[in-house]
Amino acid sequence: DGGITQSPKYLFRKEGQNVTLSCEQNLNHDAMYWYRQDPGQGLRLIYYSQIVNDFQKGDIAEGYSVSREKKESFPLTVTSAQKNPTAFYLCATQDGGNQPQHFGDGTRLSIL
Amino acid sequence: DQQVKQNSPSLSVQEGRISILNCDYTNSMFDYFLWYKKYPAEGPTFLISISSIKDKNEDGRFTVFLNKSAKHLSLHIVPSQPGDSAVYFCAATYTGNQFYFGTGTSLTVIP
Repeated sequence: DGGITQSPKYLFRKEGQNVTLSCEQNLNHDAMYWYRQDPGQGLRLIYYSQIVNDFQKGDIAEGYSVSREKKESFPLTVTSAQKNPTAFYLCATQDGGNQPQHFGDGTRLSIL
Repeated sequence: DQQVKQNSPSLSVQEGRISILNCDYTNSMFDYFLWYKKYPAEGPTFLISISSIKDKNEDGRFTVFLNKSAKHLSLHIVPSQPGDSAVYFCAATYTGNQFYFGTGTSLTVIP
């Protein structure tokens, strides 16, 4: 989606290292989301944020952390506590409830 | 606990024919449903949505049908085109912001 930038597209890290995935948006949407996609599975919600300086855990928050210091930015940190971090990570924004979520192009994280 | 299910991992259709993608859900509280299309290495793109107060919504070649009693959602694409080849995800919510996604159906439209 135009307006949502995830970087980098591919990321490799050694086991035991923390890694931070970037998500920036210029859509002026209040809500932002992080999802994880594994092969053969749907998107699963990691964390979401409705407003600046506030965020909630999703279904699979263990081993992840987030911050929301600015409306435009919602970085996701994959910590060493995440047991199986290799996956495709998607960031999304939403302009109000019961509206479609708009997605970035994702970051594929591989742990070596 | 998979609340939204897409039981067909793949579907092949001839160009020009109808594609029907199906989705079942278990939570009767869901009141807003969406379909997304996804190409490899890209994020999902919103296609069409439907509120639970409706049973049908159309947008060009795409129509979504909702059968609340059966807890069933379907997406019809008519006529199917080769560019429609992608993975299609259905999603549902009852909070307006937390969405539950199906596992996806890979559609191949054969020229």
